[in-house]
Amino acid sequence: AQSVAQPEDQVNVAEGNPLTVKCTYSVSGNPYLFWYVQYPNRGLQFLLKYITGDNLVKGSYGFEAEFNKSQTSFHLKKPSALVSDSALYFCAVRDGNTPLVFGKGTRLSVIA
Amino acid sequence: DSGVTQTPKHLITATGQRVTLRCSPRSGDLSVYWYQQSLDQGLQFLIQYYNGEERAKGNILERFSAQQFPDLHSELNLSSLELGDSALYFCASSVAGGSGAEAFFGQGTRLTVV
Repeated sequence: AQSVAQPEDQVNVAEGNPLTVKCTYSVSGNPYLFWYVQYPNRGLQFLLKYITGDNLVKGSYGFEAEFNKSQTSFHLKKPSALVSDSALYFCAVRDGNTPLVFGKGTRLSVIA
Repeated sequence: DSGVTQTPKHLITATGQRVTLRCSPRSGDLSVYWYQQSLDQGLQFLIQYYNGEERAKGNILERFSAQQFPDLHSELNLSSLELGDSALYFCASSVAGGSGAEAFFGQGTRLTVV
């Protein structure tokens, strides 16, 4: 069965600094990996995904993520954080046609 | 706006009651997923339908049931409600049944059981 770990419950970063939100996964086959963001009282919004190909994928709002097969990681990154990036971030994995399995989420706080 | 519509947005009901949550997927999406989000359990997959047929089942209680209708909208029925069922219930849809297709989420139904 697939699983996702987000080792940090909370990440704090100063505005303008780079940010990283960590995610590691476990699947039996080839992974399909996703990042979602949730703002207060809102649903999850899709940010980006990795299916195959280039290990660096770019997504919405300037976010990108790097797939690392040997470390089974898919960390979310942004070169320069904005206060408006403060939200709850979820990493998710799918193995073939199975439903998305989500991590517990990481709360990102960007401080002005 | 994701294109996924959930009603109602908020629901307050008493223990022992039954409620129905409704979801309209994005136009063209055949797959519907239901998730439960609570503070202590995170985002838990409940059930998936694809083109009217049940595709996968997760941590869904026997008191809960769901269906997808011919017009592809879906309903999640929760019965004999307990205080612990209070949570945010999300519906998501995707064009395909899995693989690389991302799922788009509705804004959720916040259920409070009192």
